[in-house]
Amino acid sequence: DAGITQSPRHKVTETGTPVTLRCHQTENHRYMYWYRQDPGHGLRLIHYSYGVKDTDKGEVSDGYSVSRSKTEDFLLTLESATSSQTSVYFCAISVWGDTGELFFGEGSRLTVL
Amino acid sequence: KQEVTQIPAALSVPEGENLVLNCSFTDSAIYNLQWFRQDPGKGLTSLLLIQSSQREQTSGRLNASLDKSSGRSTLYIAASQPGDSATYLCAVTDQAGTALIFGKGTTLSVSS
Repeated sequence: DAGITQSPRHKVTETGTPVTLRCHQTENHRYMYWYRQDPGHGLRLIHYSYGVKDTDKGEVSDGYSVSRSKTEDFLLTLESATSSQTSVYFCAISVWGDTGELFFGEGSRLTVL
Repeated sequence: KQEVTQIPAALSVPEGENLVLNCSFTDSAIYNLQWFRQDPGKGLTSLLLIQSSQREQTSGRLNASLDKSSGRSTLYIAASQPGDSATYLCAVTDQAGTALIFGKGTTLSVSS
């Protein structure tokens, strides 16, 4: 599983509340990614990081922010959750600079009521 | 903008059959292509990774090929088993390594 842990694995929250999802890796990989997976849309990139404090936007970044203060942790924050952000969120790490292979966490299922 | 398409969206086969899943992409300037497997309610498991300079990769009963010039990849599964039932996703990494672009997957069902 490449040492990736996501927390929480399941969360139910109400519209307008802040939510933070955490991705933790036990390796020392530079590249980390947050994806969301929705029926009919597949997996879409939200944000990614290429080092501590180095982040960039992906395809569907509106309404999301990220932070990476340590190599091992990549946080995804929904400042004010909306029902359209109900989804399964996946964190991934990349062995970039080597094979570029991606490894995924088990996912965090978020429901916004 | 890179787009990845997988055909068919769903496939049902009897056990023992050999099968091919297709993946096409619009921009041939890729760094690599990966095939993943996803079981219901689970994360993605990497099956095969093909670098842009490679033509194919094999792992057990799985063989993936890459034709960059035509923007196509195939995943060949030999002697399919019920345990192969899952959704198979292909994804390409751009040359900057900034993102993996996914297809929507092929859902495979193998009946015993």
